[in-house]
Amino acid sequence: GDSVTQMEGPVTLSEEAFLTINCTYTATGYPSLFWYVQYPGEGLQLLLKATKADDKGSNKGFEATYRKETTSFHLEKGSVQVSDSAVYFCALHNTDKLIFGTGTRLQVFP
Amino acid sequence: EADIYQTPRYLVIGTGKKITLECSQTMGHDKMYWYQQDPGMELHLIHYSYGVNSTEKGDLSSESTVSRIRTEHFPLTLESARPSHTSQYLCASSDRHITNEKLFFGSGTQLSVL
Repeated sequence: GDSVTQMEGPVTLSEEAFLTINCTYTATGYPSLFWYVQYPGEGLQLLLKATKADDKGSNKGFEATYRKETTSFHLEKGSVQVSDSAVYFCALHNTDKLIFGTGTRLQVFP
Repeated sequence: EADIYQTPRYLVIGTGKKITLECSQTMGHDKMYWYQQDPGMELHLIHYSYGVNSTEKGDLSSESTVSRIRTEHFPLTLESARPSHTSQYLCASSDRHITNEKLFFGSGTQLSVL
């Protein structure tokens, strides 16, 4: 069945460091791909999405490119801030289901 | 800004009690979901609904039940709570008429069963 695999956390970075959180997927057909973010004590929010191969989603300085050849959707940010500390979930939508990865906790220190 | 609300925010109860977790949305979304989030952060879909009078079980078996009598309301009930039900419960909704759907999440209910 369809699945999403994320790198395990926590990812610990200093402010202004470069961030990469890896995400790969397995799916039949042509899924849409998402990154959701969960700040402490809150529900999930959509961060960005890409609906077809080679699309790049971007928001708040975060980017991810839908790579069909490597079945990947890695999240990147050039310069993280303390306020980016949260849990990040990669997800795919295929047929009628949204499937989440296990989440990656990001901790950014000043 | 998401217009989906969950109450209570935190709940601590004793074993054997019946509880209902409330979820309401004001966006007119047809599709609603309940996810259980374990301490390791992983999300498990336990129930979903495509509209009024529609309820389906999700990927993770759960002893909870849901109902969908009104579009905006999707409560989750545990008839007899046990410590194994301790978890974070997240409600979400989406518009079934939009492909590649975005989910809107509530802030969650943190349930602790003693």
